[in-house]
Amino acid sequence: DSGVTQTPKHLITATGQRVTLRCSPRSGDLSVYWYQQSLDQGLQFLIQYYNGEERAKGNILERFSAQQFPDLHSELNLSSLELGDSALYFCASSVRDKGTGELFFGEGSRLTVL
Amino acid sequence: GEDVEQSLFLSVREGDSSVINCTYTDSSSTYLYWYKQEPGAGLQLLTYIFSNMDMKQDQRLTVLLNKKDKHLSLRIADTQTGDSAIYFCAESDSGAGSYQLTFGKGTKLSVIP
Repeated sequence: DSGVTQTPKHLITATGQRVTLRCSPRSGDLSVYWYQQSLDQGLQFLIQYYNGEERAKGNILERFSAQQFPDLHSELNLSSLELGDSALYFCASSVRDKGTGELFFGEGSRLTVL
Repeated sequence: GEDVEQSLFLSVREGDSSVINCTYTDSSSTYLYWYKQEPGAGLQLLTYIFSNMDMKQDQRLTVLLNKKDKHLSLRIADTQTGDSAIYFCAESDSGAGSYQLTFGKGTKLSVIP
């Protein structure tokens, strides 16, 4: 158990809909990362927050947004969903925002868009 | 841009050594990592190596880094069935101020009893 909690574990929805994925980092970790894992693209970095502020942005679509709240949990919002958004979405956390870089990953939220 | 390449599959017999290879393109990579993903689980950090090191050993795991060729390998000694998983190589540029990791697509290791 990494200490990172993600909900929901599975989600099935239709094209055009909007979903919110939630992540609670390990106790004491200030940084939260979101990654998308799909069969064709592999693991893609989406976005990072550190202590409530956006720190780095990767291949995140404009239809997607995220935020980190004062209690350090984070939410990833996916809107106008398309079939190609079906993937496993991982959240990871770390104590700092840079350095030796051990990321602790949650078990992921599997999104299926029909 | 940054790119990390790995072979997709490796099959070994129980008790043999496994060697998983990885090449990367970003010469400014500061840290290189090996993560393990078991079915239905998230990624778990196995080990990492700083770019000024050539080798790192941790129990059954040996990491070799050839910075000139931008080649990283993970050797698992005495491979067990419990080692069956997907192994990801990843790099980060610490100077970028983020743990924004670039991952390879993963090598699926199958251990034959």
